[in-house]
Amino acid sequence: GNSVTQMEGPVTLSEEAFLTINCTYTATGYPSLFWYVQYPGEGLQLLLKATKADDKGSNKGFEATYRKETTSFHLEKGSVQVSDSAVYFCALVDSGGGADGLTFGKGTHLIIQP
Amino acid sequence: EPEVTQTPSHQVTQMGQEVILRCVPISNHLYFYWYRQILGQKVEFLVSFYNNEISEKSEIFDDQFSVERPDGSNFTLKIRSTKLEDSAMYFCASRAGTGYQETQYFGPGTRLLVL
Repeated sequence: GNSVTQMEGPVTLSEEAFLTINCTYTATGYPSLFWYVQYPGEGLQLLLKATKADDKGSNKGFEATYRKETTSFHLEKGSVQVSDSAVYFCALVDSGGGADGLTFGKGTHLIIQP
Repeated sequence: EPEVTQTPSHQVTQMGQEVILRCVPISNHLYFYWYRQILGQKVEFLVSFYNNEISEKSEIFDDQFSVERPDGSNFTLKIRSTKLEDSAMYFCASRAGTGYQETQYFGPGTRLLVL
């Protein structure tokens, strides 16, 4: 079956630090990959996505590249802000068998200190 | 910007009671979903719904769960006889088109507490 593994937090960084949140996946078909973000008290918001190998998704200074050879989709940001504090979820949806429910990782709680 | 809405935001119920969670997906979206997130755990897929029928369901979605689109706007999740372990945040999501790679847009969630 499909699965997503991401580093567990909390991850605590200082403002303007470089961020990497690792995400690796297993899938039976040709997955599309997503990063969702959940701010305190809110629902899940799409941060970025990539639908095929070597695609790079980007938004709000965050980037992630779909690496088929390493089955990874690591999230990066060059300079984090306090407002980036949230829980980040890596997820995939697979092409096989009509399955269209997202498979999520456990989430990474990011804390940015001023 | 269109968004998915859910009501209520919080619900407390007694074990064995029926609950109905409501969602209004984004207008003109075709695919609808329910997910749940038990406190401290990952978000889990429950069911997808398309063309007025269930498209896919997970092993979590057993006979105590049902979904319905009673009119042109609402999408509901019913839990017939709640258990303590049903306590979770329930998210509704919708997707516009037929491509599996298209984005699913999530609502803010309903926090269900079963006592």
